[in-house]
Amino acid sequence: GAGVSQSPSNKVTEKGKDVELRCDPISGHTALYWYRQRLGQGLEFLIYFQGNSAPDKSGLPSDRFSAERTGESVSTLTIQRTQQEDSAVYLCASSSGQALWEQYFGPGTRLTVT
Amino acid sequence: AQSVTQPDIHITVSEGASLELRCNYSYGATPYLFWYVQSPGQGLQLLLKYFSGDTLVQGIKGFEAEFKRSQSSFNLRKPSVHWSDAAEYFCAVGVSGGYNKLIFGAGTRLAVHP
Repeated sequence: GAGVSQSPSNKVTEKGKDVELRCDPISGHTALYWYRQRLGQGLEFLIYFQGNSAPDKSGLPSDRFSAERTGESVSTLTIQRTQQEDSAVYLCASSSGQALWEQYFGPGTRLTVT
Repeated sequence: AQSVTQPDIHITVSEGASLELRCNYSYGATPYLFWYVQSPGQGLQLLLKYFSGDTLVQGIKGFEAEFKRSQSSFNLRKPSVHWSDAAEYFCAVGVSGGYNKLIFGAGTRLAVHP
């Protein structure tokens, strides 16, 4: 089946604008994760959705960041009033209820804030 | 706090040589440990995982890793490196307790000389 998909693949925006990043997880995967990867650095956990439970938002760096998920499908990560330090690759991953630890990653969205 | 350290930022090896990538973790409980590979322009792919049992685990692409509790390490090895192994490698520890998430190291970039 199809893997995790993300759109857009690249996004260039001006400082102060809002952006929305989209993630389509693997069908049937109940868990969905967002990560941020700054240039030359590891992955930084942002937020985690698991089924109908309240999401784990502990990794969101500021209140400019928010994310939603519709049921067990699409998720959007929204960054308001973007800053240059938000420039990074944003990765989405999903996993199934039977193997929560085996995360399947999408190709990422490269965000550049000018 | 949980953390993962990958001491080597860059490693260069010759094709056919053996490889060891180091990973140390800090986690109070029994860890779940993972190695992921990120090839240029591609998403992260799970190489192998350790949950319990045999401390030497085998993964895809000829990789293996050994869990050493006394050293808090989970080093990745391959006996003979191929040019296609050039990529970035990430070690991660799974953190559970209500929410399940992965804490990643900063990564090791592997270059392979012909």
